[in-house]
Amino acid sequence: EPEVTQTPSHQVTQMGQEVILRCVPISNHLYFYWYRQILGQKVEFLVSFYNNEISEKSEIFDDQFSVERPDGSNFTLKIRSTKLEDSAMYFCASSEGVGGYAYEQYFGPGTRLTVT
Amino acid sequence: RKEVEQDPGPFNVPEGATVAFNCTYSNSASQSFFWYRQDCRKEPKLLMSVYSSGNEDGRFTAQLNRASQYISLLIRDSKLSDSATYLCVVNIIGSNAGNMLTFGGGTRLMVKP
Repeated sequence: EPEVTQTPSHQVTQMGQEVILRCVPISNHLYFYWYRQILGQKVEFLVSFYNNEISEKSEIFDDQFSVERPDGSNFTLKIRSTKLEDSAMYFCASSEGVGGYAYEQYFGPGTRLTVT
Repeated sequence: RKEVEQDPGPFNVPEGATVAFNCTYSNSASQSFFWYRQDCRKEPKLLMSVYSSGNEDGRFTAQLNRASQYISLLIRDSKLSDSATYLCVVNIIGSNAGNMLTFGGGTRLMVKP
């Protein structure tokens, strides 16, 4: 069964450093997403991406964040100048399309980011 | 007011029991609805979509009441492996026609032998 993969599984970084989280969405999916979950809190939407551009983003997704699809398979989330409060699990998701039940989102296993 | 509200639980039930979870959502523009399950420190896994007519998948039954903005999940004949956190999720279509899933805080279920 096809699945979303993410690397690394755990990333430790110092405050102020830049990190890049990587995702390989399901191969025939066209829509890609990043979510985050701070420990003990709910999953929160960050951004959605289609046709090489951002389609939606939340208030959390400020200038510190950026996304990119550098090639035909990878989808990355870059966090510049990390802060302690960026420590969370970051989930990548993908879907075939948008707009209805048929376009369910499937999540990767996540990258646990720890900012020290 | 929380956008998607769930009773956090935990619900402690014996194996074989029937358990029901409820969820309310505040945004009437919500387009589609899902239940995901999440095991500790793992990713959300899609359990089922929720249709207006109600739908069933094996031991799981989901219902949607758009007028009351209310979603439910019923689990029959609980198994130990059903122990997890159940996330009520609504999909809102953004201004650019993109999907944005909004998650509830989850309801924790513990099934005991």
